[in-house]
Amino acid sequence: DIQLTQSPSFLSASVGDRVTITCRASQGIGSFLAWYQQKPGKAPKLLIYLASTFQGGVPSRFSGSGSGTDFTLTISSLQPEDFAAYYCQQLDTYPLTFGGGTKVEVK
Amino acid sequence: EVQLVESGGGLVQPGGSLRLSCAASGFSFSDHYMDWVRQAPGKGLEWIGRVTYKADSYTTHYVASVKGRFTISRDDSKNSLFLQMNSLKAEDTAVYYCARRAPRDSLDLWGPGTMVTVSS
Repeated sequence: DIQLTQSPSFLSASVGDRVTITCRASQGIGSFLAWYQQKPGKAPKLLIYLASTFQGGVPSRFSGSGSGTDFTLTISSLQPEDFAAYYCQQLDTYPLTFGGGTKVEVK
Repeated sequence: EVQLVESGGGLVQPGGSLRLSCAASGFSFSDHYMDWVRQAPGKGLEWIGRVTYKADSYTTHYVASVKGRFTISRDDSKNSLFLQMNSLKAEDTAVYYCARRAPRDSLDLWGPGTMVTVSS
């Protein structure tokens, strides 16, 4: 199975900060990576697919990059509604797998 | 409204069975692969499995931890997805989500989830 390692697991930040989350795959997955945001008690919400393509309605402060084994999700200027958990998912090879998650907390 | 709604969760004893349903509305259900994803309390997301569509012979894929115990099926005539769970274990306790696979490989629509608790 392809393992996805997200870092950091926890991140304390302030409104306005630039935040970067990384996701490393145990083997190459091309660009078949998606990023999701999840708030407590809610279902995940798709942010980015194919590593760098915005899902409709997602603010432009979110961006994704990478290919192969190394990927990043960047929030250019953290907003109050962005405090949440973030997960990467590879959709290249079955079984599909998620990273362990990154919880972005208020500093 | 485009939505997915899960049902069928609850409390079940270890070794028992449960069948979850996911009702789809507002989109052409038969045109999409459909997935199940779960989340144990306080933990991360775990992809459980997928059923493809008719053109791909309704092929199913599963994660190893549920293979042989869980079965994913669909009824396109009823816009419904199912997860039959047998031989349940305490570690299957989780919120179970159904999700739609978007054409460009991602899960773009999720239900609110249904809680399954396996306990004696």
